[in-house]
Amino acid sequence: DGGITQSPKYLFRKEGQNVTLSCEQNLNHDAMYWYRQDPGQGLRLIYYSQIVNDFQKGDIAEGYSVSREKKESFPLTVTSAQKNPTAFYLCASSIGGTGGYTFGSGTRLTVV
Amino acid sequence: GIQVEQSPPDLILQEGANSTLRCNFSDSVNNLQWFHQNPWGQLINLFYIPSGTKQNGRLSATTVATERYSLLYISSSQTTDSGVYFCAVPGRSGTYKYIFGTGTRLKVLA
Repeated sequence: DGGITQSPKYLFRKEGQNVTLSCEQNLNHDAMYWYRQDPGQGLRLIYYSQIVNDFQKGDIAEGYSVSREKKESFPLTVTSAQKNPTAFYLCASSIGGTGGYTFGSGTRLTVV
Repeated sequence: GIQVEQSPPDLILQEGANSTLRCNFSDSVNNLQWFHQNPWGQLINLFYIPSGTKQNGRLSATTVATERYSLLYISSSQTTDSGVYFCAVPGRSGTYKYIFGTGTRLKVLA
């Protein structure tokens, strides 16, 4: 079955460490996205990519980095520069910029 | 930028009841999506509805783009409908940057 796989489901990070969240899709979608969700809040866009080897900053890109070397993969690195990284991170994909989204099951990141 | 407001913020229903959730947006849009987030965090796309009305089982959605709102109807609610419902619209026409509302938290009681 086609879908989006995020891993790990839970991640614990020590302060000062970089961590990378994985997002893989087999839907043949061109566009991929990373969103952050804080408790009781909506989703905020971190980065998005329209095509391979191209990506743009969203509304809250500071302290995060991404790459898009393959169509299927869009990993997110949470760097030590992100001051408050504890959150629920969701990856999504769509056929184009205006297509319906498909979301992964998310990664819960906690700083310890 | 465009503002997206959802109402009500919280809703408690008895199983079998009907409900209407509303999404207002501050500027004209050419796309709109409705999502359901279950208690485990998984987001499911319910409708991609730039205009008009769509139905899927007990759920239906109507978007009136000229009046800048969309409605999600849930009929004969079930406990599995519990969770948070979000609407999302593009930040600008043709953009990839969807703006999400703050959601309506629904709890259906058995």
